[in-house]
Amino acid sequence: AQTVTQSQPEMSVQEAETVTLSCTYDTSESDYYLFWYKQPPSRQMILVIRQEAYKQQNATENRFSVNFQKAAKSFSLKISDSQLGDAAMYFCAYRSAMNSGYSTLTFGKGTMLLVSP
Amino acid sequence: EAQVTQNPRYLITVTGKKLTVTCSQNMNHEYMSWYRQDPGLGLRQIYYSMNVEVTDKGDVPEGYKVSRKEKRNFPLILESPSPNQTSLYFCASSRPGQGSYEQYFGPGTRLTVT
Repeated sequence: AQTVTQSQPEMSVQEAETVTLSCTYDTSESDYYLFWYKQPPSRQMILVIRQEAYKQQNATENRFSVNFQKAAKSFSLKISDSQLGDAAMYFCAYRSAMNSGYSTLTFGKGTMLLVSP
Repeated sequence: EAQVTQNPRYLITVTGKKLTVTCSQNMNHEYMSWYRQDPGLGLRQIYYSMNVEVTDKGDVPEGYKVSRKEKRNFPLILESPSPNQTSLYFCASSRPGQGSYEQYFGPGTRLTVT
């Protein structure tokens, strides 16, 4: 079974600074997808960014980018120019690509990001 | 607007009183799933469904039931709720098959069992 580990229960950053959230995962599979979800105080789960394991290029979405290290099974999220609205719980998630039609997500325990003015 | 809806959003109930949390999606997704979120544990899957009349257990299915009689609806049933089922519940849906398809989440249901 796959596991996802987020070793930082809480992180702090000041506005306009850069912060990196860590995520490691354990799998024996070669093909999979990785995601970062954001959960603000509203509790809504919002997809931030996704990465296909077969792609070597790191995904980017505006101020959000990932550092995907397949051999190290590491998938960190970098938030540049942090904003107050980035304050939220962030979840790393894994989904296997080995079984067609099956879309279960395995989540880490989350990292709470605090943003100060 | 593409969305997943859940009702109720908040529910306080007593031990043993059967309850149902409804989930509906308007995106014609085959795949639907229920998760519970607890502090320090992240989201854990309860049940999932790959299509109408096709359901299977996730990681924490004990004490829960589901049904999938229509493609758009996937209710979560607690036949005899207990305090350890106090949690935040999310329904999600997505396209099936391979691809980094996003799972769309409902707004969550906060359940308290006393």
